[in-house]
Amino acid sequence: DQQVKQNSPSLSVQEGRISILNCDYTNSMFDYFLWYKKYPAEGPTFLISISSIKDKNEDGRFTVFLNKSAKHLSLHIVPSQPGDSAVYFCAAANTGNQFYFGTGTSLTVIP
Amino acid sequence: DTAVSQTPKYLVTQMGNDKSIKCEQNLGHDTMYWYKQDSKKFLKIMFSYNNKELIINETVPNRFSPKSPDKAHLNLHINSLELGDSAVYFCASSRRLSVETQYFGPGTRLLVL
Repeated sequence: DQQVKQNSPSLSVQEGRISILNCDYTNSMFDYFLWYKKYPAEGPTFLISISSIKDKNEDGRFTVFLNKSAKHLSLHIVPSQPGDSAVYFCAAANTGNQFYFGTGTSLTVIP
Repeated sequence: DTAVSQTPKYLVTQMGNDKSIKCEQNLGHDTMYWYKQDSKKFLKIMFSYNNKELIINETVPNRFSPKSPDKAHLNLHINSLELGDSAVYFCASSRRLSVETQYFGPGTRLLVL
Protein backbone atom coordinates (compact mmCIF):
# COMPACT_ATOMS: atom_id res chain seq x y z
CA ASP A 1 0.00 0.00 0.00
CA GLN A 2 1.88 3.00 -1.28
CA GLN A 3 0.87 6.02 0.74
CA VAL A 4 3.07 8.47 -1.12
CA LYS A 5 3.10 8.56 -4.88
CA GLN A 6 5.17 10.33 -7.47
CA ASN A 7 3.46 9.60 -10.74
CA SER A 8 6.11 11.06 -13.01
CA PRO A 9 9.18 8.84 -13.07
CA SER A 10 11.15 11.37 -15.09
CA LEU A 11 11.19 15.03 -16.08
CA SER A 12 13.38 17.01 -18.47
CA VAL A 13 13.69 20.77 -18.23
CA GLN A 14 15.78 23.36 -20.02
CA GLU A 15 18.37 25.18 -17.94
CA GLY A 16 16.98 28.41 -16.53
CA ARG A 17 13.37 27.25 -16.69
CA ILE A 18 11.19 26.12 -13.81
CA SER A 19 11.11 22.46 -12.71
CA ILE A 20 7.92 21.30 -11.03
CA LEU A 21 7.92 17.94 -9.29
CA ASN A 22 4.67 16.56 -7.95
CA CYS A 23 3.74 14.25 -5.12
CA ASP A 24 0.42 12.88 -3.84
CA TYR A 25 -0.33 11.19 -0.55
CA THR A 26 -3.27 9.28 0.83
CA ASN A 27 -2.96 9.48 4.63
CA SER A 28 -4.45 12.64 6.13
CA MET A 29 -2.54 11.97 9.37
CA PHE A 30 0.76 12.95 7.78
CA ASP A 31 1.93 16.22 9.30
CA TYR A 32 5.40 16.71 7.91
CA PHE A 33 6.57 16.54 4.33
CA LEU A 34 10.05 16.55 2.89
CA TRP A 35 11.89 16.46 -0.38
CA TYR A 36 15.12 14.58 -0.74
CA LYS A 37 17.59 14.73 -3.59
CA LYS A 38 19.62 11.71 -4.57
CA TYR A 39 22.63 11.40 -6.84
CA PRO A 40 23.70 7.99 -8.20
CA ALA A 41 25.57 5.82 -5.69
CA GLU A 42 24.82 8.23 -2.84
CA GLY A 43 22.22 8.35 -0.09
CA PRO A 44 19.25 10.73 -0.22
CA THR A 45 20.10 14.25 0.91
CA PHE A 46 17.56 16.45 2.65
CA LEU A 47 16.48 19.38 0.51
CA ILE A 48 13.47 21.15 1.98
CA SER A 49 10.53 20.39 4.26
CA ILE A 50 7.13 21.76 5.16
CA SER A 51 4.90 21.32 8.14
CA SER A 52 1.21 20.63 7.65
CA ILE A 53 0.35 23.97 9.27
CA LYS A 54 1.91 25.80 6.33
CA ASP A 55 1.13 25.84 2.64
CA LYS A 56 4.44 27.16 1.35
CA ASN A 57 8.09 27.04 2.32
CA GLU A 58 10.86 28.67 0.36
CA ASP A 59 14.61 28.18 0.47
CA GLY A 60 16.56 29.92 -2.25
CA ARG A 61 15.69 28.42 -5.60
CA PHE A 62 13.53 25.74 -3.99
CA THR A 63 9.91 26.19 -2.95
CA VAL A 64 7.58 23.52 -1.66
CA PHE A 65 3.82 23.98 -1.86
CA LEU A 66 1.36 21.95 0.17
CA ASN A 67 -2.33 21.55 -0.67
CA LYS A 68 -3.80 19.59 2.21
CA SER A 69 -7.30 19.38 0.80
CA ALA A 70 -5.95 17.78 -2.36
CA LYS A 71 -3.31 15.79 -0.45
CA HIS A 72 -0.77 17.11 -2.88
CA LEU A 73 2.60 18.75 -2.65
CA SER A 74 4.98 20.04 -5.22
CA LEU A 75 8.57 21.17 -5.43
CA HIS A 76 9.45 24.13 -7.63
CA ILE A 77 13.02 24.76 -8.67
CA VAL A 78 13.65 28.05 -10.38
CA PRO A 79 15.84 28.68 -12.21
CA SER A 80 16.82 25.08 -12.89
CA GLN A 81 20.53 24.33 -13.18
CA PRO A 82 22.35 21.32 -14.65
CA GLY A 83 23.59 20.43 -11.14
CA ASP A 84 19.98 19.91 -10.12
CA SER A 85 19.87 16.78 -12.26
CA ALA A 86 19.16 13.99 -9.78
CA VAL A 87 16.37 11.81 -8.47
CA TYR A 88 13.97 13.65 -6.17
CA PHE A 89 12.06 11.76 -3.51
CA CYS A 90 9.02 13.07 -1.76
CA ALA A 91 8.48 11.82 1.81
CA ALA A 92 5.70 12.16 4.34
CA ALA A 93 5.89 11.55 8.07
CA ASN A 94 3.57 11.27 11.01
CA THR A 95 4.30 12.11 14.64
CA GLY A 96 6.10 8.80 15.12
CA ASN A 97 8.63 9.95 12.52
CA GLN A 98 7.70 7.02 10.35
CA PHE A 99 8.65 8.14 6.88
CA TYR A 100 6.92 7.03 3.72
CA PHE A 101 8.77 7.72 0.51
CA GLY A 102 7.58 8.04 -3.04
CA THR A 103 9.35 6.18 -5.82
CA GLY A 104 11.19 9.26 -7.02
CA THR A 105 11.26 11.49 -10.07
CA SER A 106 14.42 11.65 -12.13
CA LEU A 107 15.05 15.26 -13.12
CA THR A 108 17.32 16.10 -16.03
CA VAL A 109 18.22 19.73 -16.58
CA ILE A 110 19.42 20.25 -20.10
CA PRO A 111 22.15 22.88 -20.55
CA ASP B 1 33.62 14.18 8.51
CA THR B 2 30.84 11.98 7.11
CA ALA B 3 27.70 12.42 9.20
CA VAL B 4 26.20 8.96 8.56
CA SER B 5 28.52 6.26 7.28
CA GLN B 6 27.91 2.67 6.24
CA THR B 7 30.21 -0.25 5.60
CA PRO B 8 30.60 -2.01 3.32
CA LYS B 9 29.53 0.01 0.32
CA TYR B 10 29.15 -3.11 -1.80
CA LEU B 11 28.42 -6.65 -0.66
CA VAL B 12 28.21 -9.65 -2.95
CA THR B 13 27.45 -12.98 -1.33
CA GLN B 14 25.90 -16.40 -1.86
CA MET B 15 22.43 -17.50 -0.87
CA GLY B 16 22.26 -18.92 2.61
CA ASN B 17 25.12 -16.86 4.00
CA ASP B 18 24.90 -14.57 7.01
CA LYS B 19 26.12 -11.00 6.63
CA SER B 20 26.20 -7.72 8.53
CA ILE B 21 26.09 -4.09 7.48
CA LYS B 22 27.44 -1.46 9.84
CA CYS B 23 26.18 2.07 10.34
CA GLU B 24 27.61 4.91 12.38
CA GLN B 25 26.44 8.48 12.87
CA ASN B 26 28.48 11.29 14.41
CA LEU B 27 25.61 13.76 14.65
CA GLY B 28 24.71 12.98 18.23
CA HIS B 29 21.26 11.88 17.12
CA ASP B 30 19.04 9.76 19.33
CA THR B 31 17.27 7.80 16.61
CA MET B 32 18.60 5.63 13.77
CA TYR B 33 16.83 3.78 10.97
CA TRP B 34 17.32 1.16 8.31
CA TYR B 35 15.64 1.42 4.91
CA LYS B 36 15.53 -0.95 1.97
CA GLN B 37 15.37 0.35 -1.59
CA ASP B 38 14.15 -2.39 -3.87
CA SER B 39 14.47 -2.85 -7.62
CA LYS B 40 11.50 -0.56 -8.18
CA LYS B 41 13.38 2.21 -6.34
CA PHE B 42 10.84 2.14 -3.54
CA LEU B 43 12.40 3.24 -0.22
CA LYS B 44 10.76 1.41 2.66
CA ILE B 45 11.56 1.67 6.34
CA MET B 46 12.63 -1.56 8.04
CA PHE B 47 13.57 -0.55 11.59
CA SER B 48 14.16 2.40 13.81
CA TYR B 49 16.02 2.56 17.11
CA ASN B 50 15.57 5.25 19.74
CA ASN B 51 17.95 5.26 22.68
CA LYS B 52 18.86 1.62 21.99
CA GLU B 53 15.26 0.45 21.92
CA LEU B 54 13.51 -0.88 18.86
CA ILE B 55 10.61 1.41 18.15
CA ILE B 56 9.36 0.39 14.73
CA ASN B 57 9.62 -3.05 13.27
CA GLU B 58 7.89 -3.18 9.94
CA THR B 59 6.86 -6.53 8.54
CA VAL B 60 10.32 -7.68 7.60
CA PRO B 61 11.46 -11.29 7.91
CA ASN B 62 12.99 -12.19 11.25
CA ARG B 63 16.15 -13.09 9.35
CA PHE B 64 16.84 -9.39 9.60
CA SER B 65 17.89 -8.15 13.02
CA PRO B 66 19.12 -4.69 13.99
CA LYS B 67 21.77 -4.46 16.71
CA SER B 68 22.69 -1.21 18.43
CA PRO B 69 25.81 -1.40 20.63
CA ASP B 70 25.47 2.31 21.44
CA LYS B 71 23.55 5.39 20.38
CA ALA B 72 25.91 6.14 17.50
CA HIS B 73 25.70 2.71 15.86
CA LEU B 74 22.95 0.61 14.36
CA ASN B 75 24.11 -2.53 12.58
CA LEU B 76 21.94 -4.75 10.41
CA HIS B 77 22.41 -8.51 10.57
CA ILE B 78 20.91 -10.70 7.90
CA ASN B 79 20.77 -14.47 8.29
CA SER B 80 20.24 -17.07 5.56
CA LEU B 81 20.36 -14.56 2.73
CA GLU B 82 17.89 -15.02 -0.12
CA LEU B 83 17.90 -13.76 -3.70
CA GLY B 84 15.11 -11.33 -2.89
CA ASP B 85 17.28 -9.61 -0.30
CA SER B 86 19.28 -8.04 -3.11
CA ALA B 87 18.71 -4.31 -2.76
CA VAL B 88 20.30 -1.11 -1.57
CA TYR B 89 20.12 -0.68 2.20
CA PHE B 90 20.27 2.82 3.65
CA CYS B 91 20.94 3.80 7.22
CA ALA B 92 19.59 7.12 8.51
CA SER B 93 19.44 9.10 11.73
CA SER B 94 17.42 11.92 13.24
CA ARG B 95 17.68 14.01 16.39
CA ARG B 96 14.79 12.28 18.05
CA LEU B 97 11.76 10.14 17.35
CA SER B 98 9.31 12.86 16.48
CA VAL B 99 8.74 14.70 13.29
CA GLU B 100 12.33 15.32 12.34
CA THR B 101 14.45 15.40 9.24
CA GLN B 102 16.36 12.19 8.69
CA TYR B 103 19.92 12.16 7.41
CA PHE B 104 20.96 9.26 5.24
CA GLY B 105 24.12 7.26 4.74
CA PRO B 106 25.49 6.48 1.27
CA GLY B 107 23.85 3.06 1.05
CA THR B 108 25.09 -0.52 0.91
CA ARG B 109 24.49 -2.37 -2.34
CA LEU B 110 23.79 -6.00 -1.53
CA LEU B 111 23.75 -8.61 -4.25
CA VAL B 112 22.81 -12.17 -3.36
CA LEU B 113 23.82 -14.78 -5.94
